[in-house]
Amino acid sequence: GEDVEQSLFLSVREGDSSVINCTYTDSSSTYLYWYKQEPGAGLQLLTYIFSNMDMKQDQRLTVLLNKKDKHLSLRIADTQTGDSAIYFCAEHPPPGNTGKLIFGQGTTLQVKP
Amino acid sequence: DAGVTQSPTHLIKTRGQQVTLRCSPKSGHDTVSWYQQALGQGPQFIFQYYEEEERQRGNFPDRFSGHQFPNYSSELNVNALLLGDSALYLCASSLASGRKDTQYFGPGTRLTVL
Repeated sequence: GEDVEQSLFLSVREGDSSVINCTYTDSSSTYLYWYKQEPGAGLQLLTYIFSNMDMKQDQRLTVLLNKKDKHLSLRIADTQTGDSAIYFCAEHPPPGNTGKLIFGQGTTLQVKP
Repeated sequence: DAGVTQSPTHLIKTRGQQVTLRCSPKSGHDTVSWYQQALGQGPQFIFQYYEEEERQRGNFPDRFSGHQFPNYSSELNVNALLLGDSALYLCASSLASGRKDTQYFGPGTRLTVL
């Protein structure tokens, strides 16, 4: 079946690291994405990782992928109040399901000053 | 470089009415996907258009239909609106020949059905 799961809420202090976790079900997914949504706005693409990679770093963002456990995580270093938002992970199924992104329900990140 | 644009921003309709939402893709993109995001949920895939044809469809009834124009812009039509159709409707564009099919989202149209 198709199901992407995330924890619903995470609260951290400004300057700490945040780790947002996600599990997915389709082991043949090709790409996995992280999107950010601020209140009343659309989705902003943060980063992505190809399924043959274990890790990807992009400035303050680090993505870790454990294919065996179908587990994806997003680490935000030195979290700022501007990082407060809802974070969605999404999987892109293999060819044959072109175009369909499957999203989790989102993790609300609250950053306290 | 213009990103994905959607219109209108907000819309209020009553049950049974019909609505049309519009999307212009990011410059250089040729593929448009539509998603429905209910309050507190992740986006759900409605369908995708490429070369003016529906390429893939999610689990949505036939009341949801779409169109893509030669300039790659797209419309989403919803007939016989139900209260449950109230949601944020997101349009995403991508490049069909792109290896990653990375989708870039617009700001969305907030539809309220009364």
